[in-house]
Amino acid sequence: AQSVTQLDSHVSVSEGTPVLLSCNYSSSYSPSLFWYVQHPNKGLQLLLKYTSAATLVKGINGFEAEFKKSETSFHLTKPSAHMSDAAEYFCVVRKGGGSQGNLIFGKGTKLSVKP
Amino acid sequence: EAGVTQFPSHSVIEKGQTVTLRCDPISGHDNLYWYRRVMGKEIKFLLHFVKESKQDESGMPNNRFLAERTGGTYSTLKVQPAELEDSGVYFCASSQGQGRRNTIYFGEGSWLTVV
Repeated sequence: AQSVTQLDSHVSVSEGTPVLLSCNYSSSYSPSLFWYVQHPNKGLQLLLKYTSAATLVKGINGFEAEFKKSETSFHLTKPSAHMSDAAEYFCVVRKGGGSQGNLIFGKGTKLSVKP
Repeated sequence: EAGVTQFPSHSVIEKGQTVTLRCDPISGHDNLYWYRRVMGKEIKFLLHFVKESKQDESGMPNNRFLAERTGGTYSTLKVQPAELEDSGVYFCASSQGQGRRNTIYFGEGSWLTVV
């Protein structure tokens, strides 16, 4: 069965410093992986997705993630944090089989950005 | 182009009452999904429509929840009678196709509080 693990429920960084949000997945076959972000009182916005093409995926707002099969990881990074990056981030794996829309969410990581 | 829209954005009801949430997917999207996040838990899949048919309803918690998509356009999710544990945010999402490369777009959510 597919699953994702986000070990950090909360990460705090200073503005201008790098961001690293961890995600490890479990999947019995080549997964589709996503990062979604939810800003306060807003909906879920797709940051980036991996669907078996290039392993380094670039997303919006300067975020990127690297798919590492050997480590079963899909960590989210950004070179320099901005105050507007403060939000909750979800690592997501898509369940295969009959329902391609059945997304399995991690518990989420709340990112705080200090001035 | 309008995104996924949900109504109401916020709702406060008493235990035992009925609430109906509405979702309008992106125009032309045959696939419509419902997810929810109850307090302190992960975002969980509820069900998936393809046009007006239920493709997968494995995530529906119990028979107090009824989802419909008459005519294959907008969808409603009715909770009757509502219980305290139903409090949370209900997300609707849509996609054009079902394949790995189809992006699933989320709405801003309907925040439900049962008191």
